[in-house]
Amino acid sequence: GESVGLHLPTLSVQEGDNSIINCAYSNSASDYFIWYKQESGKGPQFIIDIRSNMDKRQGQRVTVLLNKTVKHLSLQIAATQPGDSAVYFCAENTARGSTLGRLYFGRGTQLTVWP
Amino acid sequence: NAGVMQNPRHLVRRRGQEARLRCSPMKGHSHVYWYRQLPEEGLKFMVYLQKENIIDESGMPKERFSAEFPKEGPSILRIQQVVRGDSAAYFCASSPPWQGNQPQHFGDGTRLSIL
Repeated sequence: GESVGLHLPTLSVQEGDNSIINCAYSNSASDYFIWYKQESGKGPQFIIDIRSNMDKRQGQRVTVLLNKTVKHLSLQIAATQPGDSAVYFCAENTARGSTLGRLYFGRGTQLTVWP
Repeated sequence: NAGVMQNPRHLVRRRGQEARLRCSPMKGHSHVYWYRQLPEEGLKFMVYLQKENIIDESGMPKERFSAEFPKEGPSILRIQQVVRGDSAAYFCASSPPWQGNQPQHFGDGTRLSIL
């Protein structure tokens, strides 16, 4: 079965605020994690990824934090914009040392940004 | 550089008919993955293929479903004798052949509706 889940199904934030989207996973063997953004009617769009030998990685306005001790992953979006409104999925890969192979997805968090 | 291309975007079939979904990976990508998504759910892995080889089909139903990725041409997901429960969005992703931090990139999916 799927090993990736999410704490909250929906998140509403004011434009300009920071957003934090959480994800829990249960497979200790997972060593590669990805955040995707999915807008209505479209496919998942890559946002940022992180390997298990890191605990933080930053991109443009986004930061991913990985806590392997409690098997928790989070996506932080700085200065959230209306264009950030979408469903966000975390996904994991258990192919040690490789990013090839199947991904396990959580259910997703619907982020709504209010002007 | 074109992304992952899927067609058709929408497909309507009657129960008992066959559905053929096509996926052209990104240029240089020789690994293809198929996922299925039901409304308000995450993506569920179906099958992972390389050119002319099925690497992992553990997520694909044993009956009625098949997939191929020939040496030339797109990858095809084929569903025979479709039933109402096959209605879903089917997404294809691709990745390059080398291992490393190479996330899967997704197409915009085929939305299959069974009448």
